Amino acid sequence: QLQLQESGPGLVKPSETLSLTCTVSGGSISTDSHYWGWIRQPPGKGLEWIGSIYYTGTTYDNPSLKSRVTISVDTSKNQFSLKLSSVTAADTAVYYCVKHFLQWEQGKMLLYFDYWGQGTPVTVSS
Amino acid sequence: QSVLTQPPSVSAAPGQKVSISCSGSSSNIGNSYVSWYQQLPGTAPKLLIYENDKRPSGIPDRFSGSKSGTSATLGITGLQTGDEADYYCGTWDNSLSAGVFGGGTKLAVL
Repeated sequence: QLQLQESGPGLVKPSETLSLTCTVSGGSISTDSHYWGWIRQPPGKGLEWIGSIYYTGTTYDNPSLKSRVTISVDTSKNQFSLKLSSVTAADTAVYYCVKHFLQWEQGKMLLYFDYWGQGTPVTVSS
Repeated sequence: QSVLTQPPSVSAAPGQKVSISCSGSSSNIGNSYVSWYQQLPGTAPKLLIYENDKRPSGIPDRFSGSKSGTSATLGITGLQTGDEADYYCGTWDNSLSAGVFGGGTKLAVL
């Protein structure tokens, strides 16, 4: 059974860079058609897709985060990581790492998130 | 403000049926498949429906999904108190080139 586990600091100072790592177990991160991504949820609010990466290094970022996002993959460690720069209080959230599908099917984009980590809370505060 | 629009809350009695709507546009729901997620209090979301109407293994057939034009609907029959949760719809937006979600709907089983 595939499992994902987030790790990283729970407290980040404003203007600094938030760094999280997701360790994948029970399967290979280098599996065809499997994408690996990050989703966050501010306290009491809904879900926001941050971005994703394929094991080849191809990335997809949410334009709303204005290029503050860097997602990388380390296939030797079966891990992928998130860096979010210049954080503010608005970046306070629970951050989830996810595995998902993203592919064209019969002329339409198929996207769904089928495995989720337990989530890690990150607070931005001085 | 979310790209997809869901009602903030719905409620129904145990054993009854409820529908949760998700409204979008031609740049998202109209040209992409929809998925649905259940988030029980204090837990990570769980995939309920993918590709508009397919259920992952282990999801009971009390949960169903449908799509028409630029809207989608999650149906839940035989409501149980354990179904009380937040429900989110999600899809891909071609204009934004991004995954997008609805704002979530809180289901109360009264």
